[in-house]
Amino acid sequence: DADVTQTPRNRITKTGKRIMLECSQTKGHDRMYWYRQDPGLGLRLIYYSFDVKDINKGEISDGYSVSRQAQAKFSLSLESAIPNQTALYFCATSDKEDWSDEQYFGPGTRLTVT
Amino acid sequence: AQSVTQPDIHITVSEGASLELRCNYSYGATPYLFWYVQSPGQGLQLLLKYFSGDTLVQGIKGFEAEFKRSQSSFNLRKPSVHWSDAAEYFCAVGGFTGGGNKLTFGTGTQLKVEL
Repeated sequence: DADVTQTPRNRITKTGKRIMLECSQTKGHDRMYWYRQDPGLGLRLIYYSFDVKDINKGEISDGYSVSRQAQAKFSLSLESAIPNQTALYFCATSDKEDWSDEQYFGPGTRLTVT
Repeated sequence: AQSVTQPDIHITVSEGASLELRCNYSYGATPYLFWYVQSPGQGLQLLLKYFSGDTLVQGIKGFEAEFKRSQSSFNLRKPSVHWSDAAEYFCAVGGFTGGGNKLTFGTGTQLKVEL
């Protein structure tokens, strides 16, 4: 079984709808991250959480919110989806005991907003 | 603020040829540096990483990278490319920020391998 899972893997939604993307991990890591990937722009950080009670905005947090329900779960919400939020979304985790903070990625969720 | 530049958007090489993907970074202290690979429809997989020590780092799948502080570079190399290496490659720099590291990614280099 995969260590970092994301649901759903694909989602098509309409402008104005609220949607939630979920991430679960079995690696026991404290730190979790949400990124979006757009062609030609690489990965950009949306939100990150260094532990259950610590949540921080990344470089592109506008229009998004997150919830860290438990150490293993980190959800990303789009309150009112818009077409320019169409992208590939990745969840990642890292271990605070790892000096390099290497990040482990989920398989991604492809979101289309029409 | 930290940043990463991958100047080549697309690279095409013949199978069996050598490969070098360029990465330049900007960071005020000694950086953590990473190379990730993303195969079509997949998530990102770590190829190798560097923080300190030997400036030539060996990774998985026969890849290596060399850290050159004077040039602020961390180029990825492979002596002989296989068709299965076709993928997108991302360089990233990690910087400490209040409790842990954050990664900043480059825009990626798409590698095509000609048979």
